[in-house]
Amino acid sequence: EDQVTQSPEALRLQEGESSSLNCSYTVSGLRGLFWYRQDPGKGPEFLFTLYSAGEEKEKERLKATLTKKESFLHITAPKPEDSATYLCAVQAASGTYKYIFGTGTRLKVLA
Amino acid sequence: GAGVSQSPSNKVTEKGKDVELRCDPISGHTALYWYRQSLGQGLEFLIYFQGNSAPDKSGLPSDRFSAERTGGSVSTLTIQRTQQEDSAVYLCASNVGGSDTQYFGPGTRLTVL
Repeated sequence: EDQVTQSPEALRLQEGESSSLNCSYTVSGLRGLFWYRQDPGKGPEFLFTLYSAGEEKEKERLKATLTKKESFLHITAPKPEDSATYLCAVQAASGTYKYIFGTGTRLKVLA
Repeated sequence: GAGVSQSPSNKVTEKGKDVELRCDPISGHTALYWYRQSLGQGLEFLIYFQGNSAPDKSGLPSDRFSAERTGGSVSTLTIQRTQQEDSAVYLCASNVGGSDTQYFGPGTRLTVL
């Protein structure tokens, strides 16, 4: 069964304290892995798509990487405005349109 | 430009009543998705539309749930005979065909008493 597991469930960082969020996945052939950011009371906001192992994408203080079993979202020198829930999702290569989401990591960055 | 909009933003209903949730995708977006987000759960895929057709309905949890899309634009998710376990935030997303970037609406929070 295709599955996505995110860890940790919650993370508190001091401003400037870099860290990484993990997304482990099992899927019958990966078509793509996706990272989203979700603020309270809002819909998710797209961040990155990764398609193959070894691929990396960057945006401001965020960098996403992908291996054959997991993805990491690295946050460098975070600021309070980076506080949000970060969601990971995968889509299988088997012709399905379905996206499978993890339960997310709630990140709180303290000033 | 306008993003994905959903209405109502909040809906409180009594067990056994039917509800309709509406999604207005971004103009020109041919693909449309419905998801459900329950407290402490990840987003759960419900249904995918390409134009007016739904090639993937595999996520609809029961035959009480149905969805349609008309004119390749607005979509309605209908839940019949609502149950308390249907309480959740229902999210809609759209994207241009061939793109992987989904744009989400703000969601409809459904509470079934």
